[in-house]
Amino acid sequence: ILNVEQSPQSLHVQEGDSTNFTCSFPSSNFYALHWYRWETAKSPEALFVMTLNGDEKKKGRISATLNTKEGYSYLYIKGSQPEDSATYLCAFGGTDSWGKLQFGAGTQVVVTP
Amino acid sequence: GAVVSQHPSWVICKSGTSVKIECRSLDFQATTMFWYRQFPKQSLMLMATSNEGSKATYEQGVEKDKFLINHASLTLSTLTVTSAHPEDSSFYICSALARRELYNEQFFGPGTRLTVL
Repeated sequence: ILNVEQSPQSLHVQEGDSTNFTCSFPSSNFYALHWYRWETAKSPEALFVMTLNGDEKKKGRISATLNTKEGYSYLYIKGSQPEDSATYLCAFGGTDSWGKLQFGAGTQVVVTP
Repeated sequence: GAVVSQHPSWVICKSGTSVKIECRSLDFQATTMFWYRQFPKQSLMLMATSNEGSKATYEQGVEKDKFLINHASLTLSTLTVTSAHPEDSSFYICSALARRELYNEQFFGPGTRLTVL
């Protein structure tokens, strides 16, 4: 059984502040780590797909890092805005899972004005 | 990005009835789609992999006779919850697999909230 853990479960951020949260995953049989952003009543939206140890990806004010040797990824939000409020999911894809993903439970981010 | 629709977005049914949920990839063809289930405050749990033109493969513990999956075309997969009971009440969400050069990517529908009375 694969364990993909995300912490914290939720966090409240003041508008303008920066924040980050963690996804931990198995360090063996790594193939890819996906980050999704999921707003209420919408489809989860793909943010990043990370495949190489040391990868850093950026999309606007959101960025992510990857450490496959120790099995963790950080997602950063710089200068949080109310529209960043969402649940952020990470998902682990293994070399032996053929396209299937193991999801964490998500980090719910609430940005207050 | 690729768009996946899911219908209905919510459904309420009586115990013992069957409910069909549709998942469509609108702007790309998907030979593989996935069906997930989510309980409150838990992660998306993979139920089954839907393969176009062949039988679905189910994850351990998922009853194939309870959750019927049909993937008759490259853009449509359906999940039918047969003889639904209150314990089947949950959030069901599908994704369609797009193959990229270096990795596979899943695009999600918005999900279906099923309530069985």
